Amino acid sequence: QQQVKQSPQSLIVQKGGIPIINCAYENTAFDYFPWYQQFPGKGPALLIAIRPDVSEKKEGRFTISFNKSAKQFSLHIMDSQPGDSATYFCAASPRQGAQKLVFGQGTRLTINP
Amino acid sequence: NAGVMQNPRHLVRRRGQEARLRCSPMKGHSHVYWYRQLPEEGLKFMVYLQKENIIDESGMPKERFSAEFPKEGPSILRIQQVVRGDSAAYFCASSPRGGIAEAFFGQGTRLTVV
Repeated sequence: QQQVKQSPQSLIVQKGGIPIINCAYENTAFDYFPWYQQFPGKGPALLIAIRPDVSEKKEGRFTISFNKSAKQFSLHIMDSQPGDSATYFCAASPRQGAQKLVFGQGTRLTINP
Repeated sequence: NAGVMQNPRHLVRRRGQEARLRCSPMKGHSHVYWYRQLPEEGLKFMVYLQKENIIDESGMPKERFSAEFPKEGPSILRIQQVVRGDSAAYFCASSPRGGIAEAFFGQGTRLTVV
């Protein structure tokens, strides 16, 4: 019940396309859902986060969609660029101030020029 | 303002040796978190520390692993008698207050046990 399941494991998209990464969770106590971006050899960096009281959040080219009843959330990257090529992780915690996150398995995204 | 500094970046140890991983938090941050990332997997929480205190070690293996965050100096994650299964990337994050949402991650230490 503590798991967050992420798919797909890898994704290849042409430049300008809209990659979509999906995550699902079981624990209804989860209340904070961030996405992290990780480049090779680097630590994860917070990209965007959402609370379940909204169904969508946009920051620049990145959008999170949230479906509370289905316990699913997804990341969309608009007008994707080769520089977006990285590994993306979804995560969840019981609240924004929690001390630990449960991470998904990660999606390795490649944007071809 | 330097980010979270972890060293060494790469560490090779033979089975049975000890590994010491260091994490210097960002200036002004007194909360440190350690996560482990196995190959092709997401990060898994290990331990959460404040200065001189272990707050939550629910993700730490019961044996061979320990962590500290002394009043002065970096946080240390110590692995005794390493085994091949300990090979992973170990990430440290720090935050000014007790919330992972505000934390910044370091670049990680990649431990290889041979």
